[in-house]
Amino acid sequence: AQKITQTQPGMFVQEKEAVTLDCTYDTSDPSYGLFWYKQPSSGEMIFLIYQGSYDQQNATEGRYSLNFQKARKSANLVISASQLGDSAMYFCAMREGNNNNDMRFGAGTRLTVKP
Amino acid sequence: DAGITQSPRHKVTETGTPVTLRCHQTENHRYMYWYRQDPGHGLRLIHYSYGVKDTDKGEVSDGYSVSRSKTEDFLLTLESATSSQTSVYFCAISEAPQGSYEQYFGPGTRLTVT
Repeated sequence: AQKITQTQPGMFVQEKEAVTLDCTYDTSDPSYGLFWYKQPSSGEMIFLIYQGSYDQQNATEGRYSLNFQKARKSANLVISASQLGDSAMYFCAMREGNNNNDMRFGAGTRLTVKP
Repeated sequence: DAGITQSPRHKVTETGTPVTLRCHQTENHRYMYWYRQDPGHGLRLIHYSYGVKDTDKGEVSDGYSVSRSKTEDFLLTLESATSSQTSVYFCAISEAPQGSYEQYFGPGTRLTVT
């Protein structure tokens, strides 16, 4: 069964506006971690933000924030004040439990920022 | 940037030939991973290592083997390459497979099997 679902294959946003990239997950383990990675056209994978299942507050890192809704099992990435350099593929990932090497990734969302 | 290199960066090979991809790190991280990236699938774990000579299978391990004889090197081998193994292969490293410890990725190797 798919553990991580990203339902938006592609998204467009106007420069300087905010955009939300959706991610839903499936797990029965009460302990898990959620990660977002960015992959620009150059191909490298860049870590953006992390949210632990027991974290009381939504994670933030600069212009990135994670809208964590535990009951809905969603962990949406919010990018504020979009920039042209934000155009990339974005992947949501989850690691269940503790001491687990198996990180599962979603299929990704391609974000295009329009000038 | 984490010190991770992959070689070769691009390779074209024929069906049935053996192929070895190398991942080298300078961070002295214990955990190393091999993923493949295919359209519509994101990244999928092939094999991982939790120490020298300690490896285990991931989600899509069939047709692949790995070896780790030194902390800094993790090799991925396709014993007899098939067209279904055409993909982009990423190596990743991590200090620990828990909590907020993220995985750092190498630049990737694009492999084409003809």
